[in-house]
Amino acid sequence: SQTIHQWPATLVQPVGSPLSLECTVEGTSNPNLYWYRQAAGRGLQLLFYSVGIGQISSEVPQNLSASRPQDRQFILSSKKLLLSDSGFYLCAWSNHGSNYGYTFGSGTRLTVV
Amino acid sequence: AQSVTQLDSHVSVSEGTPVLLRCNYSSSYSPSLFWYVQHPNKGLQLLLKYTSAATLVKGINGFEAEFKKSETSFHLTKPSAHMSDAAEYFCVVRWDNAGNMLTFGGGTRLMVKP
Repeated sequence: SQTIHQWPATLVQPVGSPLSLECTVEGTSNPNLYWYRQAAGRGLQLLFYSVGIGQISSEVPQNLSASRPQDRQFILSSKKLLLSDSGFYLCAWSNHGSNYGYTFGSGTRLTVV
Repeated sequence: AQSVTQLDSHVSVSEGTPVLLRCNYSSSYSPSLFWYVQHPNKGLQLLLKYTSAATLVKGINGFEAEFKKSETSFHLTKPSAHMSDAAEYFCVVRWDNAGNMLTFGGGTRLMVKP
C-alpha cells in the first residue's frame, strides 16, 4: 500500500533562519507531488507541484523553493524565513492521469518567531 | 473561469441532527468532485468522490453527497451529526481539462454542539 510521510510535525524557527521540510512517498513510483500551505483562517494554497524528478512548477512567487532530488522525495526549503511563512504545510501525492484525488501527509505546523 | 464555492464558512449543528455542507462549482467542463475532512493540525482525509458514475456517492463515517449537474452542486450530508464530526471540510474539484490539478473550496468549519 502507498504511504506518505511528512516531517517534522511541528517546527518553531526564528525569522531569517533556513527551512527544510521533507516529504517521502512509499509504495508507488513516479507520483505527482504537491506542497500546499494553509495559513490561519484561510484555505489551501498550492505552492509547488512536481510531475517528475527535477521538475518543479511554482504556483506562487514567494520566499520558498522546492526540490525533488529523488522520485519519491519532495523537499520544501527557504534560505531566510519571514514571519509570513508561518502556517500549516501539507505535502500530497497523486497518480498521473488518475480520477482519484490526492493523498495528503499529516502536515507540518511551522511557526516563525 | 473554473471555481468552487463553499457557501458557508461555518456551520453549527446539534449532535444527532442532520448536517448539510454546501458546495457549488462553475465550469463548462466535466468535473470530478471530492470532499475532504481535516481535523485540527491533521492532514486532509478523503471522505468521498464522484467520478461520473452514480450521482449519489456514499463515503466514510456516514457521509454522502449528491452530484446535481443542473444545479452545479455537490452538497455533503449526514443524517445525524456526531461530536467527532467537528472538523473543517473541503469541497474539491478536478476538471477534465486540468490534468491532475485540484481546485479547493475555501472550507467549511463544522461545529457540533452537545
